[in-house]
Amino acid sequence: DAGVIQSPRHEVTEMGQEVTLRCKPISGHNSLFWYRQTMMRGLELLIYFNNNVPIDDSGMPEDRFSAKMPNASFSTLKIQPSEPRDSAVYFCASSRPDSSGNTIYFGEGSWLTVV
Amino acid sequence: DQQVKQNSPSLSVQEGRISILNCDYTNSMFDYFLWYKKYPAEGPTFLISISSIKDKNEDGRFTVFLNKSAKHLSLHIVPSQPGDSAVYFCAASALWYGGSQGNLIFGKGTKLSVKP
Repeated sequence: DAGVIQSPRHEVTEMGQEVTLRCKPISGHNSLFWYRQTMMRGLELLIYFNNNVPIDDSGMPEDRFSAKMPNASFSTLKIQPSEPRDSAVYFCASSRPDSSGNTIYFGEGSWLTVV
Repeated sequence: DQQVKQNSPSLSVQEGRISILNCDYTNSMFDYFLWYKKYPAEGPTFLISISSIKDKNEDGRFTVFLNKSAKHLSLHIVPSQPGDSAVYFCAASALWYGGSQGNLIFGKGTKLSVKP
């Protein structure tokens, strides 16, 4: 089975530009998560969706960040305008409820550098 | 305030010995705990989990212990192998938080180095 697929893997952009990160969750998974990893804060949850509906976006740092999930197989995380402090690895992850609990499966990440 | 803490940023162990990675949590609502392993330039991968109804779960060389009264869990790797060198993240969730499938709260990770 294909895992969580993220694109782009690497992005270098100039400050002020719009950045769009994309994610395809594992088929059949009904929850999707966007995490950000930085040296200072580790892995932090930005937003998660359940059945395409945003459930908790309290981790989204500012109004410059927005996320959408128009259908069960696609999500985007957008940063507009981007700033150097947004440089991080952004992970998308998905999960489905099972008898053993809430196991989240991660994509390989999108490495963002804003210069 | 961090709800999941991994107080050791790094750990170095000799090949063949036991590696013990520790994790503490503060939220008594957490009832499901996981360990993830992360290699450089890759996403975290699920390693092992434990529900709060258990105090031990074993999978091959990996064993997770849960001490609910102390709000502490640990991951034991025995014997350790050089391929185990990675960053290990502890994570916790309240399984049905708010009536929806809950998210995972991660610690900041412990970098394990297993030396040949």
